[in-house]
Amino acid sequence: AQKITQTQPGMFVQEKEAVTLDCTYDTSDQSYGLFWYKQPSSGEMIFLIYQGSYDEQNATEGRYSLNFQKARKSANLVISASQLGDSAMYFCAMREGQMSSGGYQKVTFGIGTKLQVIP
Amino acid sequence: DTGVSQDPRHKITKRGQNVTFRCDPISEHNRLYWYRQTLGQGPEFLTYFQNEAQLEKSRLLSDRFSAERPKGSFSTLEIQRTEQGDSAMYLCASSPPPTGTDNTGELFFGEGSRLTVL
Repeated sequence: AQKITQTQPGMFVQEKEAVTLDCTYDTSDQSYGLFWYKQPSSGEMIFLIYQGSYDEQNATEGRYSLNFQKARKSANLVISASQLGDSAMYFCAMREGQMSSGGYQKVTFGIGTKLQVIP
Repeated sequence: DTGVSQDPRHKITKRGQNVTFRCDPISEHNRLYWYRQTLGQGPEFLTYFQNEAQLEKSRLLSDRFSAERPKGSFSTLEIQRTEQGDSAMYLCASSPPPTGTDNTGELFFGEGSRLTVL
């Protein structure tokens, strides 16, 4: 099974509107973390938001919020008040296992969703 | 600029040639990762260093690929006898050692090195 599933290859949103990008994940670990990254055409991966598996509140960072539904294993990204600069690829990722002083915590990425903001 | 830097940003080479990419992580980060990203895909893990030790290698990393981080600072990724299937973006990322309870494991990425094999 895919560890991270992003089912929307492409999305369009009108400028100033909100948009939700879907992400579901699969893990048997109790401790894990979920990330969203933005990748503009320049190629750099830009960290947007993080949700820990034990966090009870949904994460928010400015216009970004993460709708975390643990029982459904979903971690959807909500972007409010879309801007033209939000046009980019968006990747959901998962870190499995607990952070520790040693060893490698695997981070797996989905295939991404291409968001285009229409003026 | 104190972010992760990669060099070169673009490399075009002929099949069969060797290429080397360099990554300079954020200075206080002891963890360094290489990922490969092909068109239409998310980044795929290649290898991981903690300080100078290479602790994880993906099965994607064939014998033609070698990575080093000799002094625990910068890292190089070499591809020998390149093939057209090696064409991809090679992303380097770093992360700090976990401290306390607020470490998320966030990866800090460079801008990538795009390889085109003709």
